Amino acid sequence: SQTIHQWPATLVQPVGSPLSLECTVEGTSNPNLYWYRQAAGRGLQLLFYSVGIGQISSEVPQNLSASRPQDRQFILSSKKLLLSDSGFYLCAWTRTNEKLFFGSGTQLSVL
Amino acid sequence: DAKTTQPTSMDCAEGRAANLPCNHSTISGNEYVYWYRQIHSQGPQYIIHGLKNNETNEMASLIITEDRKSSTLILPHATLRDTAVYYCIVRVPNGGSQGNLIFGKGTKLSVKP
Repeated sequence: SQTIHQWPATLVQPVGSPLSLECTVEGTSNPNLYWYRQAAGRGLQLLFYSVGIGQISSEVPQNLSASRPQDRQFILSSKKLLLSDSGFYLCAWTRTNEKLFFGSGTQLSVL
Repeated sequence: DAKTTQPTSMDCAEGRAANLPCNHSTISGNEYVYWYRQIHSQGPQYIIHGLKNNETNEMASLIITEDRKSSTLILPHATLRDTAVYYCIVRVPNGGSQGNLIFGKGTKLSVKP
């Protein structure tokens, strides 16, 4: 069966520090991969999606970047975090483009 | 922007059916209606989806009006564990940006004992 792993679960980082969140999917190949963010009290916002290795599409301009170095690995990064980067980050995947499967999320607090 | 309209919140008594409405008056012919839910501090969970026929699975039923401009998610016997934010989403199920989920604010369902 397919599983998605996302870590860390919680993260507290100072303003200006770098960020790296990792997401991996097991049990499937060539998935579409997604990064979403949910700010406190707000809905989910699609940040990036990828349909293959090295292929990244950005949905909104921002302080973050994404990379897909391997088929089932998706990384969210920042060189210098801003206060506004705080939020709940979710990785998701789909193989059939019908159902999206989400990870358990990372709660990021930038102080 | 989300292409759906949902009530901000709803209450339901435990054991009763929960009926969550969604308006999607601008839905196009190839867009499906999807429902997800998000329990606090967890990732969203897929519930059900449909094009024009009513659908049922082990979690819920989806009733889509004949003109497809609205739909209702039905949880037949709500439990306390069904308390969550429920998202109604319309999308084209293919690759690329057209197929990506756009979440609105959803309906906060509170199931009360």
